Amino acid sequence: NAGVTQTPKFQVLKTGQSMTLQCAQDMNHNSMYWYRQDPGMGLRLIYYSASEGTTDKGEVPNGYNVSRLNKREFSLRLESAAPSQTSVYFCASSEGPDRGLSGANVLTFGAGSRLTVL
Amino acid sequence: AQSVAQPEDQVNVAEGNPLTVKCTYSVSGNPYLFWYVQYPNRGLQFLLKYITGDNLVKGSYGFEAEFNKSQTSFHLKKPSALVSDSALYFCAVRLRTGRRALTFGSGTRLQVQP
Repeated sequence: NAGVTQTPKFQVLKTGQSMTLQCAQDMNHNSMYWYRQDPGMGLRLIYYSASEGTTDKGEVPNGYNVSRLNKREFSLRLESAAPSQTSVYFCASSEGPDRGLSGANVLTFGAGSRLTVL
Repeated sequence: AQSVAQPEDQVNVAEGNPLTVKCTYSVSGNPYLFWYVQYPNRGLQFLLKYITGDNLVKGSYGFEAEFNKSQTSFHLKKPSALVSDSALYFCAVRLRTGRRALTFGSGTRLQVQP
């Protein structure tokens, strides 16, 4: 019953360093998402993957890259970290695509990864 | 473009009293609407959603929300608040077609006092 697993939970980087946040889900979901959460700004979508083999930009994609490695895994990479990327990052997944009136698949979230860039 | 507004950063209510957390939305079409809750150091958890039909939607933990199309609102309500309801609440919207990712509001912190 793991659901959505994110690693690492905490990370401190120096400006210019790179790192990858890993996300895996065991619910056989088709769609996966990366959000960042900042105080007073709610959650903002960075990238998403509607299905295996596809990725699309969200609201705040600059400075990030993603890889949908397979149906289970969706990673987020910071190539050259900046202090503005200090945030809590959440991975989520959903069944997708919508199925009839049940539509609007619910997102299941991971516990989050807290990243600090100095 | 779609957007969500949660006008209150924090709502304070006494235990046993009714609570309301406000949400208004803006989309160019018919929306799906959601409420999620976040407890400290945890990810978001789904509470309820509006798809179609009855404007009053019932969800987990005794919460409900009323969809009002004319006012473009989807306020979260509970008849009797519990201290354990204290958390951060997010309203979210997405269109019925096109991109399926949710757009979230900024969140409202609910504080229930004993």
